[in-house]
Amino acid sequence: KQEVTQIPAALSVPEGENLVLNCSFTDSAIYNLQWFRQDPGKGLTSLLLIQSSQREQTSGRLNASLDKSSGRSTLYIAASQPGDSATYLCAVRTSYDKVIFGPGTSLSVIP
Amino acid sequence: NAGVTQTPKFQVLKTGQSMTLQCAQDMNHNSMYWYRQDPGMGLRLIYYSASEGTTDKGEVPNGYNVSRLNKREFSLRLESAAPSQTSVYFCASEMDGYEQYFGPGTRLTVT
Repeated sequence: KQEVTQIPAALSVPEGENLVLNCSFTDSAIYNLQWFRQDPGKGLTSLLLIQSSQREQTSGRLNASLDKSSGRSTLYIAASQPGDSATYLCAVRTSYDKVIFGPGTSLSVIP
Repeated sequence: NAGVTQTPKFQVLKTGQSMTLQCAQDMNHNSMYWYRQDPGMGLRLIYYSASEGTTDKGEVPNGYNVSRLNKREFSLRLESAAPSQTSVYFCASEMDGYEQYFGPGTRLTVT
């Protein structure tokens, strides 16, 4: 059974720091992996989608990597800003109709 | 382009009452999903629809029914609400295995 974990559960950093969020999954047979952010009381916003054949995707200050063999993905945020404060979730697609979400990492960027 | 919209935003029900949560998307996506999000449990799939006219159960379907009215709309019905159904409900849509796009959510309390 696929399980998705995210460590740490919470992270607090000063503004301007580069940071890495981690996502681990137990079964390497995945279709893709998607990173989301969720602001308090809001829905999920898609950040990046990495297909199983890809190693990384970039969007602005965000870079997501995927290593299927080790069951890991990282989300790198460069030059963090207070507006980056949110909960970040990763989601692994294991089949056409099945997406497993991680529990999320709550990020606080301190001005 | 409104993306994924959900109504209502908030709802309070008494045990045993029924209600329907509405979801619509304007992105011409084939697949639509209903999730619930609970503290400590993460996001869990209730039902999904791979195309107009088809629906399938997800991880936690008990106590819910769905209707894929047309390509745009996917509704979730609670026939007899229970306190265990207190949650935040999210609708999502996607084009066949690619990025999922989420609505803003419905916060439901059952007393």
